[in-house]
Amino acid sequence: EAGVAQSPRYKIIEKRQSVAFWCNPISGHATLYWYQQILGQGPKLLIQFQNNGVVDDSQLPKDRFSAERLKGVDSTLKIQPAKLEDSAVYLCASSPSKGAGNTIYFGEGSWLTVV
Amino acid sequence: KQEVTQIPAALSVPEGENLVLNCSFTDSAIYNLQWFRQDPGKGLTSLLLIQSSQREQTSGRLNASLDKSSGRSTLYIAASQPGDSATYLCAVRKYGGSQGNLIFGKGTKLSVKP
Repeated sequence: EAGVAQSPRYKIIEKRQSVAFWCNPISGHATLYWYQQILGQGPKLLIQFQNNGVVDDSQLPKDRFSAERLKGVDSTLKIQPAKLEDSAVYLCASSPSKGAGNTIYFGEGSWLTVV
Repeated sequence: KQEVTQIPAALSVPEGENLVLNCSFTDSAIYNLQWFRQDPGKGLTSLLLIQSSQREQTSGRLNASLDKSSGRSTLYIAASQPGDSATYLCAVRKYGGSQGNLIFGKGTKLSVKP
């Protein structure tokens, strides 16, 4: 079974530029998550989708971050304009449904450096 | 506000030792607690998930316990191997929170020496 795919794996941009990350979840997984992990810290949820609807985006900085999941499969996370403090690993994850106890499967992450 | 703390931040042990990683949380109103493993440059792998009504979960050489009333969880690794070297993160899901809205600790970086 293929895992969660993310691209690009690494990106270096200048502050105020924009960047987009793509995620393809495990086939059949209805729930998709984007997390931000700053070096030395645990991940923080940015947004959770159930199919193509948003379940939780309470921690998404909406003035600069946006995410979509058209057709309930792939998802894109965009940052515009980027700030230095956005340097982090952006982890995409998926799980079969919203049900309690479902394991969350993580991708390998997209590493962003803002200079 | 829920806070999750993991002690120690780093741990180095010789191969074959049994070891315990600690996780504490400030608010006992949790839905579940999970332990994850993260290898350098990789995403997270779920190891064990304990529902709030459970006391422990076991998988192979791993055993995780949960004492919700005291706000503590431990991850016990038996007969450690060099391949166990990684960062171990615990995370809690609070009541009323979405499934993915986990509060993570900063992790314990484990190094198992051959």
